[in-house]
Amino acid sequence: DAGITQSPRHKVTETGTPVTLRCHQTENHRYMYWYRQDPGHGLRLIHYSYGVKDTDKGEVSDGYSVSRSKTEDFLLTLESATSSQTSVYFCAISELSLGTEAFFGQGTRLTVV
Amino acid sequence: KQEVTQIPAALSVPEGENLVLNCSFTDSAIYNLQWFRQDPGKGLTSLLLIQSSQREQTSGRLNASLDKSSGRSTLYIAASQPGDSATYLCAVDGGGATNKLIFGTGTLLAVQP
Repeated sequence: DAGITQSPRHKVTETGTPVTLRCHQTENHRYMYWYRQDPGHGLRLIHYSYGVKDTDKGEVSDGYSVSRSKTEDFLLTLESATSSQTSVYFCAISELSLGTEAFFGQGTRLTVV
Repeated sequence: KQEVTQIPAALSVPEGENLVLNCSFTDSAIYNLQWFRQDPGKGLTSLLLIQSSQREQTSGRLNASLDKSSGRSTLYIAASQPGDSATYLCAVDGGGATNKLIFGTGTLLAVQP
């Protein structure tokens, strides 16, 4: 299995609080992604990174920020959590430009109450 | 903007049947297409990656084809088993050189014993 771990795996937080999710990889892949998965919407891209300090927005980036200060870690921050951000969050890694597969973490279930 | 559609949304078949899952995409300028499997409450597991220069890939009972010109891919599962029951997702890179994976909403497969 590809070396990709997400933490925490489960979190319950209150509306208005900041939350940070961590994705850690040991594969030295250049590309890292954050997705959210919701019933009826499938997987939607929040942000992605194509190198250290290089990030870009996905289709549902409002209310989220990311940082990548080193190759192995990609952090997703909900600046002020809202109930609409209750979801399952997945991190993925890839070297698509080299024709290799993308691999996913096990997901973080976030509940905002 | 790349859009990915999967048909059918759900499928129920008796054990032993051969089946085909469909994936279509609107922008044919892709580099890769990948099929994933997701079990309930779990992350995504990569099944097959087809690069744009390839027309098909095979792994065991699975065969995936790619027709870039028509914007279509199919996943063929031979001799289905109850253990194949899961959601199957296809994903393409975002077209051009964006390296963003864009997902379809998946096909929920149930194989009845």
